[in-house]
Amino acid sequence: GAVVSQHPSRVICKSGTSVKIECRSLDFQATTMFWYRQFPKQSLMLMATSNEGSKATYEQGVEKDKFLINHASLTLSTLTVTSAHPEDSSFYICSASRDRGRTNEKLFFGSGTQLSVL
Amino acid sequence: GDSVTQMEGPVTLSEEAFLTINCTYTATGYPSLFWYVQYPGEGLQLLLKATKADDKGSNKGFEATYRKETTSFHLEKGSVQVSDSAVYFCALSDRPQGAQKLVFGQGTRLTINP
Repeated sequence: GAVVSQHPSRVICKSGTSVKIECRSLDFQATTMFWYRQFPKQSLMLMATSNEGSKATYEQGVEKDKFLINHASLTLSTLTVTSAHPEDSSFYICSASRDRGRTNEKLFFGSGTQLSVL
Repeated sequence: GDSVTQMEGPVTLSEEAFLTINCTYTATGYPSLFWYVQYPGEGLQLLLKATKADDKGSNKGFEATYRKETTSFHLEKGSVQVSDSAVYFCALSDRPQGAQKLVFGQGTRLTINP
């Protein structure tokens, strides 16, 4: 099946620094990618939807200036957590769609990134 | 807004035991319901789905029935294997097939001992 590679799998950083997480679709072109966040013992929550070549659409309550999303090519989307603080510590997961998000059968997930901000 | 509540884990069972992971939902419309599974080191994968009331989704020996009257979509398997050890996520979508706006539960970690 299709593979989505997410990197890094785990990152620890100091407060105030920026962290970039990459999401790559390895064997298909992903016109639409999604970014999720999961705090401990809470649900996986959609943060934003990114379409290749256009600005990302953020969910309510997600700061677009803090969570910068770049989807510059059909195989790569990046999420940059700017000026990270301990409250940003969370598990971040990306997913990539082969059909612009129309069906779940063509939606493939990365393995996630555990971010810890000290 | 829409929400999904799952049985809190972790759940530990012996091989060949019967498995139930409870999932209930709150939605204003008629959502589609899904179970995703995440094996260690891998991404979430769609396990099964149901798009309307009384539908039963099934795959790899797992089953779940869309119960509108109880707003539930419990995951069951008659005889679990060690290879079923994973994290299971219940989810809903307010679009018939759409991947966008998936609402997930918090996940249930399942460990099967030989």
